[in-house]
Amino acid sequence: KQEVTQIPAALSVPEGENLVLNCSFTDSAIYNLQWFRQDPGKGLTSLLLIQSSQREQTSGRLNASLDKSSGRSTLYIAASQPGDSATYLCAVMGTSYDKVIFGPGTSLSVIP
Amino acid sequence: DVKVTQSSRYLVKRTGEKVFLECVQDMDHENMFWYRQDPGLGLRLIYFSYDVKMKEKGDIPEGYSVSREKKERFSLILESASTNQTSMYLCASSFFLKGATETQYFGPGTRLLVL
Repeated sequence: KQEVTQIPAALSVPEGENLVLNCSFTDSAIYNLQWFRQDPGKGLTSLLLIQSSQREQTSGRLNASLDKSSGRSTLYIAASQPGDSATYLCAVMGTSYDKVIFGPGTSLSVIP
Repeated sequence: DVKVTQSSRYLVKRTGEKVFLECVQDMDHENMFWYRQDPGLGLRLIYFSYDVKMKEKGDIPEGYSVSREKKERFSLILESASTNQTSMYLCASSFFLKGATETQYFGPGTRLLVL
């Protein structure tokens, strides 16, 4: 059974720092991996989706990488801003395409 | 822009009531999902549907049912609400197997309190 973990559970950084969020999954037979952002009390917003055949995706200050063989993905945020404060979740879709398994999330706080 | 809407942002119901949560998407997506999100437990899949009138159980279907009569609408039904169903309910939709477009788009969520 696929399990997804995220480290750290919470992170607090000063504004302007570059930071890395980590996501690990136990079954490397995945179809894709997605990173989401969730603001308090709100729904999830998709940030980046990486297909299993890809190694990374970039959008603005965000870069997500995928290493299927080791069961890891990282989300790199460059030059962090207070507006980046949110919970970041990774989610894995298995090759049976039927379910998406979410990690518990990393709560990020960027201090001005 | 993709839009996923949920019928209510906040709901308060009494134990034993039948509760309907509605979700509508405007992108002609085949897949639709219902999750619940609880502190310390993360998002858990209740049911999903990959076509009209089709439904599949997720990880925690007990106490819930769903209905998908039209492609754009996916309803979650709590047959007899219980206090342990107090939670944030999130609906999502996506295309089915179209390469990089399986991005899940989420609604704003419904926070349900069962008294």
